[in-house]
Amino acid sequence: DAKTTQPNSMESNEEEPVHLPCNHSTISGTDYIHWYRQLPSQGPEYVIHGLTSNVNNRMASLAIAEDRKSSTLILHRATLRDAAVYYCILRGVTGGGNKLTFGTGTQLKVEL
Amino acid sequence: DTEVTQTPKHLVMGMTNKKSLKCEQHMGHRAMYWYKQKAKKPPELMFVYSYEKLSINESVPSRFSPECPNSSLLNLHLHALQPEDSALYLCASSQVPTLEYQETQYFGPGTRLLVL
Repeated sequence: DAKTTQPNSMESNEEEPVHLPCNHSTISGTDYIHWYRQLPSQGPEYVIHGLTSNVNNRMASLAIAEDRKSSTLILHRATLRDAAVYYCILRGVTGGGNKLTFGTGTQLKVEL
Repeated sequence: DTEVTQTPKHLVMGMTNKKSLKCEQHMGHRAMYWYKQKAKKPPELMFVYSYEKLSINESVPSRFSPECPNSSLLNLHLHALQPEDSALYLCASSQVPTLEYQETQYFGPGTRLLVL
């Protein structure tokens, strides 16, 4: 399966933008990039996903590199409620197929 | 309603006990999942049900026995567990996966299990 690499942790101040990187150099042309996050004491929740073009929704934006070997999840204004573990997951023929295979993720800390 | 409910929230059991975890969703999803999450680790897939039939078993020991009695319910029966099975057990549901790999999984809050 194609693998993802994320920093173990990142810190941000409240109200500032946060850019969470993910490397996936072995991604195939049909693998989708999904992001989930897990708030403390909760189950994971879907954030966003994309294939080639940048994507926006009410929670975040996803910027995908032109060669698709990396992507960045962008939280435009971090709040304390955004403190969570963020998981970048590939899904597709080489990216785990129907399964969600979670990596170690990035622990985001948000400070006042 | 995008809620997946799990009961109980917490469970303590001895190694000789038999217990069951329950998961319920009313989103019309026909795929349901069990994940196991140890402390400070990512969730790991255990089982997948598709149209109420077991489609994936990730080589889980037989002391864990899943059951999908109908399209809204998913159970995980536990018997003769070991202390190392203590973990957060997460249930999720989704539309049945397609070859487009875009469907979202909705997770419940989990059952925190302690095996003594």
